[in-house]
Amino acid sequence: SQQGEEDPQALSIQEGENATMNCSYKTSINNLQWYRQNSGRGLVHLILIRSNEREKHSGRLRVTLDTSKKSSSLLITASRAADTASYFCATDGAGGFQKLVFGTGTRLLVSP
Amino acid sequence: NAGVTQTPKFQVLKTGQSMTLQCAQDMNHNSMYWYRQDPGMGLRLIYYSASEGTTDKGEVPNGYNVSRLNKREFSLRLESAAPSQTSVYFCASSDSADRMNTEAFFGQGTRLTVV
Repeated sequence: SQQGEEDPQALSIQEGENATMNCSYKTSINNLQWYRQNSGRGLVHLILIRSNEREKHSGRLRVTLDTSKKSSSLLITASRAADTASYFCATDGAGGFQKLVFGTGTRLLVSP
Repeated sequence: NAGVTQTPKFQVLKTGQSMTLQCAQDMNHNSMYWYRQDPGMGLRLIYYSASEGTTDKGEVPNGYNVSRLNKREFSLRLESAAPSQTSVYFCASSDSADRMNTEAFFGQGTRLTVV
């Protein structure tokens, strides 16, 4: 079964609004990553947060990590139509070589 | 710098046919992965190669085989295609030497239809 589960499955907002999506995972991790996928394209890495970090920023992106709850959130501020995409969390488990395991994704639609 | 290159981009197979999906990366990464993506299922790991000369099963390996030909190339083979293998296949690579920075780079995908 997959490690991460995103919530909500789909999100529809207006340009300028903030978008928040959540990810829950099951096992201990080294880090958690967020990826974006535009329709019909490969995934693109957005941001990585390590297990000893609680919050990280990159441009309009803000990621939080709560290892006690095994959850993370991705906030996109001041959304733009170009942010329309699917967003996936991925975890790299702690201990030995752990493959990157993806969640099921959140489809974000930003309307002009 | 091409990153991760997958071929072909599209393929239609008849049930029972075989084919090999090719993947090559030019970033000198140790680790490579094959995922499949189905609607509503996200990405599921088929096989991975932690380093040159090693391969391991992922979440959904049945019906597939892989070869890590060298550090650059990692191929996925369908020996006898089935309609259930209709999917979009993604190859990815990462520099797993840094355990705290395992960002993955993805190819553009292969859209496979088995009829």
